Amino acid sequence: GENVEQHPSTLSVQEGDSAVIKCTYSDSASNYFPWYKQELGKRPQLIIDIRSNVGEKKDQRIAVTLNKTAKHFSLHITETQPEDSAVYFCAATFYTGGFKTIFGAGTRLFVKA
Amino acid sequence: EAGVTQSPTHLIKTRGQQATLRCSPISGHTSVYWYQQALGLGLQFLLWYDEGEERNRGNFPPRFSGRQFPNYSSELNVNALELEDSALYLCASLARRDGDTEAFFGQGTRLTVV
Repeated sequence: GENVEQHPSTLSVQEGDSAVIKCTYSDSASNYFPWYKQELGKRPQLIIDIRSNVGEKKDQRIAVTLNKTAKHFSLHITETQPEDSAVYFCAATFYTGGFKTIFGAGTRLFVKA
Repeated sequence: EAGVTQSPTHLIKTRGQQATLRCSPISGHTSVYWYQQALGLGLQFLLWYDEGEERNRGNFPPRFSGRQFPNYSSELNVNALELEDSALYLCASLARRDGDTEAFFGQGTRLTVV
């Protein structure tokens, strides 16, 4: 069945360093890949997304890359700040009589000041 | 515009009881997803409703069920509660735009089974 694997499950970085979170999806029909950030005690919220016809997208300190051949996509956060500490979820969306979104298991990011 | 709302925010039940959780999607959204988030873990897909019909379900036993009403609000029912059902249950409604979908999450219902 459809699956999204996300690594690492926990990531600890020093403030100012970069953080990279990687995801792999199984369904080649997936064509949209959003990333969600869930701060402690809050609901997940969309932070950036990428479509299958694009290889890279950047929004300030956050960038996503997509390798459709390898079915890999990654989230890159540069110049990390303590407020980046949260759980990050990747997701893959595909159409099967309706849009279906499968989430990765999440990565808990700690940014140490 | 009102966001996705869930009720109740907290629910405490004893083993063997039934729990009913409710979700109202953003106005105009017809698709509702239910996820289970156990403490410290990721989002596990439970159920997906669209246009009043169940489209797919995750790897959960049949005692997890639900429905979607004509106004697109949704209910999640969990029968014969077990201790391991204790979790945050998140509902999300989806906006479709140019072939993409963005999931908007409710604040969740924290279910505690004692």
